Amino acid sequence: GNSVTQMEGPVTLSEEAFLTINCTYTATGYPSLFWYVQYPGEGLQLLLKATKADDKGSNKGFEATYRKETTSFHLEKGSVQVSDSAVYFCALSDQRGSQGNLIFGKGTKLSVKP
Amino acid sequence: DTAVSQTPKYLVTQMGNDKSIKCEQNLGHDTMYWYKQDSKKFLKIMFSYNNKELIINETVPNRFSPKSPDKAHLNLHINSLELGDSAVYFCASSQLISTDTQYFGPGTRLTVL
Repeated sequence: GNSVTQMEGPVTLSEEAFLTINCTYTATGYPSLFWYVQYPGEGLQLLLKATKADDKGSNKGFEATYRKETTSFHLEKGSVQVSDSAVYFCALSDQRGSQGNLIFGKGTKLSVKP
Repeated sequence: DTAVSQTPKYLVTQMGNDKSIKCEQNLGHDTMYWYKQDSKKFLKIMFSYNNKELIINETVPNRFSPKSPDKAHLNLHINSLELGDSAVYFCASSQLISTDTQYFGPGTRLTVL
């Protein structure tokens, strides 16, 4: 079945460091790929998405490129801030029944220190 | 205005009780979902509804019953609560197409004692 694997956390970085959170997927068909972010005590918010191969999603300085050849959608940011501390979830849309319920990775907790 | 709202935010109850969680979205979306997030932050789909009809029902015990009185509401009723039901439950909504963004509610933290 479809699945998402993302790097285990927690990840601790200093402010202005470079961030990479790896995400790979297994899917039949051509799913859309997403990164969601969950700030402490809040629900999930969409960070960025890509709907087809080679698409790059970007938002708030974060980027991820849909790589079909490596089945990956790694999240990157050039310079993290303390306010980026959160749990990041990689997800793909499950195509069953033509409904887009999401299949999530296990989440990666990011802590950014001043 | 809150796009997807859930009530209550916190719910503490005893084993064996029956409880409900309510969800409302004011985005005009056709599809609503319930997800469960366990203590390790793992998120998993439970149900998906489109225009008040059940589309996806993952392997969830029969004690969980979703009810959609209209397109804007999807409530979750849980019978005979068990310790393992303790989790954060998230409601979400989206338009019909699978590439669309899902908008999540703030979550309901259920604790079963």
